[in-house]
Amino acid sequence: DVVMTQSPLSLPVTLGQPTSISCRSSQSLVHTDGNTYLNWFHQRPGQSPRRLIYKVSKRDSGVPDRFSGSGSGTDFTLKISRVEAEDVGVYYCMQGTHWPLWTFGQGTKVEIK
Amino acid sequence: EVQLLESGGGLVQPGGSLRLSCAASGFTFSTYAMNWVRQAPGKGLEWVAAITSGGIAYYADSVKGRFTISRDTSNNTLYLQMDSLRAEDTAVYYCVGSRVADYWGQGSQVTVSS
Repeated sequence: DVVMTQSPLSLPVTLGQPTSISCRSSQSLVHTDGNTYLNWFHQRPGQSPRRLIYKVSKRDSGVPDRFSGSGSGTDFTLKISRVEAEDVGVYYCMQGTHWPLWTFGQGTKVEIK
Repeated sequence: EVQLLESGGGLVQPGGSLRLSCAASGFTFSTYAMNWVRQAPGKGLEWVAAITSGGIAYYADSVKGRFTISRDTSNNTLYLQMDSLRAEDTAVYYCVGSRVADYWGQGSQVTVSS
């Protein structure tokens, strides 16, 4: 199975400042169709995960442009350009390249300093 | 508007069974692969099972032989039959639409305890 490793696992942030989360996979996430199926999700306590980013860098509808995704192959990053209070929660990366065997990162807990 | 509405969760004793349902609307259910993902208390996300639009099923090793995923295209409903339940199956179970996790339900709590 593909192992997804996130860092850091805990991320204290300052409102208005930028921050980023790293996600690394144990195998390449480039699919035979040429796409890279790497997603980012945000989950608030008591809520379902919400997808923010798909195919590495494409923002889902309604996702603020302060969120951006980048990377290739096995190394990916989620960046928040200016953290807002509503951004707290847990962020997960997920590979869909090797569907049906989805695998998720451990999660990164973002909280305000 | 896409909706995935899970039901059927609850408290069950070890060794017991439950069947989760997921009612889908707002998209062409018959053409989408569907999945179940679970989240144990205070833990991360774990893929459990998937089914193609054609009905081919796949399972995580942790549930293989105990869980059965199925779909009823006429009723736009996804199911997860869970047998021989264990304490470690305690989790919120999410119904997730598509191969790229486009759509998520609100989750259904399953608690396995005596």
